Formats: sequence, C-alpha cells, structure tokens
Amino acid sequence: AQKITQTQPGMFVQEKEAVTLDCTYDTSDPSYGLFWYKQPSSGEMIFLIYQGSYDQQNATEGRYSLNFQKARKSANLVISASQLGDSAMYFCAMRLNAGNMLTFGGGTRLMVKP
Amino acid sequence: EAQVTQNPRYLITVTGKKLTVTCSQNMNHEYMSWYRQDPGLGLRQIYYSMNVEVTDKGDVPEGYKVSRKEKRNFPLILESPSPNQTSLYFCASSRLPYQGTGELFFGEGSRLTVL
Repeated sequence: AQKITQTQPGMFVQEKEAVTLDCTYDTSDPSYGLFWYKQPSSGEMIFLIYQGSYDQQNATEGRYSLNFQKARKSANLVISASQLGDSAMYFCAMRLNAGNMLTFGGGTRLMVKP
Repeated sequence: EAQVTQNPRYLITVTGKKLTVTCSQNMNHEYMSWYRQDPGLGLRQIYYSMNVEVTDKGDVPEGYKVSRKEKRNFPLILESPSPNQTSLYFCASSRLPYQGTGELFFGEGSRLTVL
C-alpha cells in the first residue's frame, strides 16, 4: 500500500521569503500522481499543484513549484515570496493511476510571520 | 459553477441516532469519495465509488454506509453514530485518473459532533 510522510508538523517562515514543505512517498507502482492541497483555517481543501510520475519537468503554478525527485521518492512543495495568506495546513497526497484512492500525508502547518 | 456540495455543514447529534450527510457534484465525475479528517491523522478515506452502483471500502469504513444510485449523489450514512465518529468529513469527486490528473474536488466539509 502507498504511504505519504510529511515530517514537519509545523513551520514558520518570514513574509516574502521562500519555504519548502517536505513530502516523501512510498509505492512500488511506476505510474502515479502527486498532489498538494492547502487547507486554510476556514476548512476548505484547495488544490495547488500536480506532478505526474512520468513528467520530465517539475510542475509550477504561480508561486508554487514542486521539487520532484523520483529516485528519492520526494515531492517537496516550494512556495516563493510567502504571503500572510499562505498561513494554512498543507497536505501532500498521492494517487496511483491504476488505483482508486488518494492517500494523504499528515499535513504541515505553515505560519507566515509579518 | 463547478462544485461539490455537502449538507449539513455542521451537526450535533447523540449516540445511536441515524444520520445522513448528503453530497452532490455537478461536474459529471465518475469518481466520488468520502474522507474524515482528524487532528494529526490527515485525511483518511472512508468509502469511494467509481461509478453508479459501484462502491468500495477505503481505510476506515467501519460504522459507515454509502450508496451511489445516481452519478451526481453519494450520501454518507451513519446508522448508529458513536462519539469516535466525531470528525470533519469531506466529500470529493474527480474524473478517473486515466482521464486526466485525477485531481480531487472537495466539498466544504461537514463538522459532525456525536455526544
């Protein structure tokens, strides 16, 4: 079964600085997708970025980029130029392309300091 | 507007009183799923459905039932709720992975308290 690990329960970052949120995954299946979601204090789940296991380039979406290191099975989220509105819980998730389940990590709470 | 709608958003109930949390999506997605979120545990899948009349257990199905009689609806049923089912529940839908990224679209969440 696949597993997602986020080792940072909480992190602080200074406003306007970049921050990296760690995510490692474990699967023996070669075909999968990796996702990051943001959950602000209001509770909704917001999709941020997606990386396919066969994608050659790291995914980027505005200030978000995914540092995908397939051999190390890591999919770290990089947020550039942090903003106060980035304060939230962040979840890494994985879905096997042949599977039916999106598996989530335990989350990282990011707090942006002014 | 593309959305997943769940109701109720907040509910306080008592042990043993059956309840249903409704979920509806307007994106014609084949895949629908229920998750519960508990502090420190992330989101754990309860049940999922690949299509109408096709449902299967996720990681934590005990104490829950689902049905998928129509493509757009996927209600979560707690036949006899217990306090350990106090949680934040999310319904989500997506296309199947081979149809695209398989990104999940989430409802706004339903906070359930069982006394």
